[in-house]
Amino acid sequence: QVQLVQSGAEVKKPGASVKVSCKASGYIFTSYAIHWVRQAPGQRLEWMGWINADNASTKYSQKFQGRVTITRDTSASTAYMEMRSLRSEDTAVYYCARGTMKVNWFDPWGQGTLVTVSS
Amino acid sequence: DIQMTQSPSSLSASVGDRVTITCRASQSISSYLNWYQQKAGKAPKLLIYAASSLQSGVPSRFTGSGSGTDFTLTISSLQPEDFATYYCQQSYSAPYSFGQGTKLEIK
Repeated sequence: QVQLVQSGAEVKKPGASVKVSCKASGYIFTSYAIHWVRQAPGQRLEWMGWINADNASTKYSQKFQGRVTITRDTSASTAYMEMRSLRSEDTAVYYCARGTMKVNWFDPWGQGTLVTVSS
Repeated sequence: DIQMTQSPSSLSASVGDRVTITCRASQSISSYLNWYQQKAGKAPKLLIYAASSLQSGVPSRFTGSGSGTDFTLTISSLQPEDFATYYCQQSYSAPYSFGQGTKLEIK
């Protein structure tokens, strides 16, 4: 079955970086996109950006442009989201989700990765 | 950026009830509207895409409608497993924004 499995929880200090992985299985990785969405405690879901897993083109929300980088490794069927200069407001659950190349609904989602930023 | 607003933010209902959740976009998004269900501590699950298409495996008691700026998600007869938070999401243009969520609770 189609599945996305994310890396485990992280605790980081302000100013540090974090890299979250998202391993895909059950489908042809390069035929779809991977999106990243975060959810801070008690907040709505927030779209961060996406990567075309075939050609590695990316698009980011303006809010995260310059601070977030999304990459992929086709040999490992894995996408990555790296965020730099972490601050306390970045404490959230980070999700990856599969999308198609043409329409941007998300299915399925990874299980989520909690990133806690605290001094 | 397109803003998505849901109403109500919370809703109490009983098993067997019919409930409707509304989502409004700040500009026309045609039918580029999707609905997700999220249970506590879990990832969201796609229910409806393109405003009215039922995702495979989702019970037929869930229906979506609307176009332009106004959309609805209706659950025809609530089941115990339906008590969760529901989000709408526009896929018309990036950034692909979500509504603030509607928490459906047991009365």
